Amino acid sequence: EPEVTQTPSHQVTQMGQEVILRCVPISNHLYFYWYRQILGQKVEFLVSFYNNEISEKSEIFDDQFSVERPDGSNFTLKIRSTKLEDSAMYFCASSDLGYTFGSGTRLTVV
Amino acid sequence: DAKTTQPPSMDCAEGRAANLPCNHSTISGNEYVYWYRQIHSQGPQYIIHGLKNNETNEMASLIITEDRKSSTLILPHATLRDTAVYYCIVRVGMYNQGGKLIFGQGTELSVKP
Repeated sequence: EPEVTQTPSHQVTQMGQEVILRCVPISNHLYFYWYRQILGQKVEFLVSFYNNEISEKSEIFDDQFSVERPDGSNFTLKIRSTKLEDSAMYFCASSDLGYTFGSGTRLTVV
Repeated sequence: DAKTTQPPSMDCAEGRAANLPCNHSTISGNEYVYWYRQIHSQGPQYIIHGLKNNETNEMASLIITEDRKSSTLILPHATLRDTAVYYCIVRVGMYNQGGKLIFGQGTELSVKP
């Protein structure tokens, strides 16, 4: 069964550092998403991406966040200057006929 | 998208049916009901969805009331591996039209031996 693949599974970074989370969506899917889940809280929408541009973003997705599809397979989320409160699970998802989530990257900012 | 209300937690005995309710009294005619689950901080997993008819797949059944204001997800023979948080989500359109999913707190289902 097709999967959404995320790397790394766990990333530890120092406050103020840039971090890039990587995702390989399902190959024939057209819509791509990032969600995050702070420990013990709800899964929250960050951004959706279609046709090489952002189609919707939440108020969480401020100027320190960016997304990119640098080639035909990868979809990345960059956080420019990480803060302690960015510590969370980050889930990538893609959709076409189905909506599939990856297994997540646990980001820990110290 | 319409708001949903679910009980925060439920218990179920292993091998019995788990019936998880969801209220969505403000649902619109073009909104679908989706169910996902999340097992211990893994990525949410799709279970089933429906518009107005009852639906069944290999994982579960979805019963939607005639007025569409509530629905019930049925896991017919719950196992310990079904212990998870179950989310009922109402949204416009099908997956291939894009669009975000809005997660609530869900129902934490504990399946006990």
